[in-house]
Amino acid sequence: TQLLEQSPQFLSIQEGENLTVYCNSSSVFSSLQWYRQEPGEGPVLLVTVVTGGEVKKLKRLTFQFGDARKDSSLHITAAQPGDTGLYLCAGEKDSNYQLIWGAGTKLIIKP
Amino acid sequence: EAQVTQNPRYLITVTGKKLTVTCSQNMNHEYMSWYRQDPGLGLRQIYYSMNVEVTDKGDVPEGYKVSRKEKRNFPLILESPSPNQTSLYFCASQLRGGHNIQYFGAGTRLSVL
Repeated sequence: TQLLEQSPQFLSIQEGENLTVYCNSSSVFSSLQWYRQEPGEGPVLLVTVVTGGEVKKLKRLTFQFGDARKDSSLHITAAQPGDTGLYLCAGEKDSNYQLIWGAGTKLIIKP
Repeated sequence: EAQVTQNPRYLITVTGKKLTVTCSQNMNHEYMSWYRQDPGLGLRQIYYSMNVEVTDKGDVPEGYKVSRKEKRNFPLILESPSPNQTSLYFCASQLRGGHNIQYFGAGTRLSVL
């Protein structure tokens, strides 16, 4: 089974700090998605990146797809308690409906 | 409102007592799947269905059954639950095409004693 390695697995920081979450693989993906999951809820899509080197911004969140389409990063600027949650990356291969999932990064932002 | 609805949200049962977790989507999606989520292991796919009457095993299908008699419904059946099936379960659906963006239900937390 191909894997997406997410790091760190857990991160607890103070409000206002910056952070980066990584999603790495040895496989090439046609697209990569980032989801956020809050307690008691299912994952919700944040963004999809498709082109190698692509950068997408969602307010204070910046997503980047690696040039070789094997890795991605999520950078949060000036983190806020509302950013707390489990962040999951998922890679699409060959449009066969299957997604390869990372294990997730549990993020806690302390006020 | 477009949504994926799972029931029940919480379930406590005993070993060997058959149970069904229902899943319904109102978005006319062809593709549906079931995942289990365990700490440190992320989402692992149990079964998926690419359309009515078409189902396939995912990564961890042992001990589970599914059916897809109608497009909107995709129930997960545990014929003889065991404690190692204690987990958080998610149903998801997606539209054919695009980038396989999945829409998830709110989850079913199952405890098998």
